[in-house]
Amino acid sequence: DAGITQSPRHKVTETGTPVTLRCHQTENHRYMYWYRQDPGHGLRLIHYSYGVKDTDKGEVSDGYSVSRSKTEDFLLTLESATSSQTSVYFCAISRQGATDTQYFGPGTRLTVL
Amino acid sequence: GESVGLHLPTLSVQEGDNSIINCAYSNSASDYFIWYKQESGKGPQFIIDIRSNMDKRQGQRVTVLLNKTVKHLSLQIAATQPGDSAVYFCADTVSSGSARQLTFGSGTQLTVLP
Repeated sequence: DAGITQSPRHKVTETGTPVTLRCHQTENHRYMYWYRQDPGHGLRLIHYSYGVKDTDKGEVSDGYSVSRSKTEDFLLTLESATSSQTSVYFCAISRQGATDTQYFGPGTRLTVL
Repeated sequence: GESVGLHLPTLSVQEGDNSIINCAYSNSASDYFIWYKQESGKGPQFIIDIRSNMDKRQGQRVTVLLNKTVKHLSLQIAATQPGDSAVYFCADTVSSGSARQLTFGSGTQLTVLP
C-alpha cells in the first residue's frame, strides 16, 4: 500500500458523535487525499491537501473537515457523524498533484448507527 | 459535472482467455487516465496509466487503449488468471489546478472462471 497506513481500520459509532480518521504516510509525498467509496458511486473525493496546512474541498466535502499539520499525517474529521456517512474511507498520496499517480491506503470501514 | 462510466458492471471470463474492460469518459479536456484494480477488502491498486498524447500503452499482461475521438478507453488483460478477479476502475483527470482530482467510474467486477 505504498507506505500508507490508515487508522482505525474499522469503527462503529453513533449518530451525532465526532469521529477522526487518520492517514499516515512514510513516502514524504506532498499531496494527500481522502475519498469515500459507496456501492454504485465508485470513489468520490472529500478533501485533499497539497502541503502542510494547505487543503481544499473535493466533490463531497459537506460534513467533513481535514487538517494537515505534518507532511506525513492527514486527518479527516466528521464533526457530527450521520448515517449517510457510513462508508469505506480511503486515503491516497501522490508526489505531484497534477502529473503523478495516486496510491491508495487500505481503507477504513466506518459504520454510523 | 463530468463523469466517467463503464459499459458493463460485471464481466466473466475463462481462465487463460483475454479480458477487455471498457470505459467511457465525458470530459474532452481530460488528459490523463488511470486503471485501478481493487481486490475485496483492499484499497485500489494502480495498474497502468496513459496520457492523452498516446493511443496505446502496454504493461505486464495489460494494455490500455485510448480513443480520444469517441472518448473511450479500454483495459486488456492477456491470459487472465484467477488472481485477476477483482473490481477494475477507470479514472480520468485534467492536469490543472493544485491537485489532481480524479473522477472514477463505478467499477467493473471481473470474475475469472476455472
